[in-house]
Amino acid sequence: ETGVTQSPTHLIKTRGQQVTLRCSSQSGHNTVSWYQQALGQGPQFIFQYYREEENGRGNFPPRFSGLQFPNYSSELNVNALELDDSALYLCASNPTGGDTGELFFGEGSRLTVL
Amino acid sequence: AQTVTQSQPEMSVQEAETVTLSCTYDTSESDYYLFWYKQPPSRQMILVIRQEAYKQQNATENRFSVNFQKAAKSFSLKISDSQLGDAAMYFCAYRRNSGGSNYKLTFGKGTLLTVNP
Repeated sequence: ETGVTQSPTHLIKTRGQQVTLRCSSQSGHNTVSWYQQALGQGPQFIFQYYREEENGRGNFPPRFSGLQFPNYSSELNVNALELDDSALYLCASNPTGGDTGELFFGEGSRLTVL
Repeated sequence: AQTVTQSQPEMSVQEAETVTLSCTYDTSESDYYLFWYKQPPSRQMILVIRQEAYKQQNATENRFSVNFQKAAKSFSLKISDSQLGDAAMYFCAYRRNSGGSNYKLTFGKGTLLTVNP
């Protein structure tokens, strides 16, 4: 049990729609990052938030955006959905200070775009 | 850019036997972390073992150990006395040590481990 929860677990959208995925981290985990894991692939880094500011981004277009809130929750928003956005989206958090390098992952939200 | 390569898409092992999963990586950094994560069908990534690049001693965690060859940029995972619960997708991952401000992980494509009874 990592203490990171994500919702929803599964959802289906159609092309062009917008989606919001949610993540709740452990208390004290000030850094949250999001990953996209396509079927049969390793996770790809989307972006990272620290104290409600984006402070790192992978090779994803601006239609992927995020928010982080003071209560250790965060959101991933994807606009204008495309078929290739179908994937498992993983949220990961870690505490600030005492860096052990480890990330704590949620179970993911599986998005299907039709 | 850092890359992580896992050359074995699938591996199988008999229960109680030993199996080694391979991983190579490419980086120009000297200070970094390497990880093996396990992803069972429940989808949650679970940390198996961690290695800090500046430590020459190979990390061990119970039945799990690594062979870290920094010059060769190789980081293999050995699972001893394999158990049915070890069956999962295993990912090798790299993270630059940037003093606690950037936690981006770069993952390999994974190795699917099957444990046969």
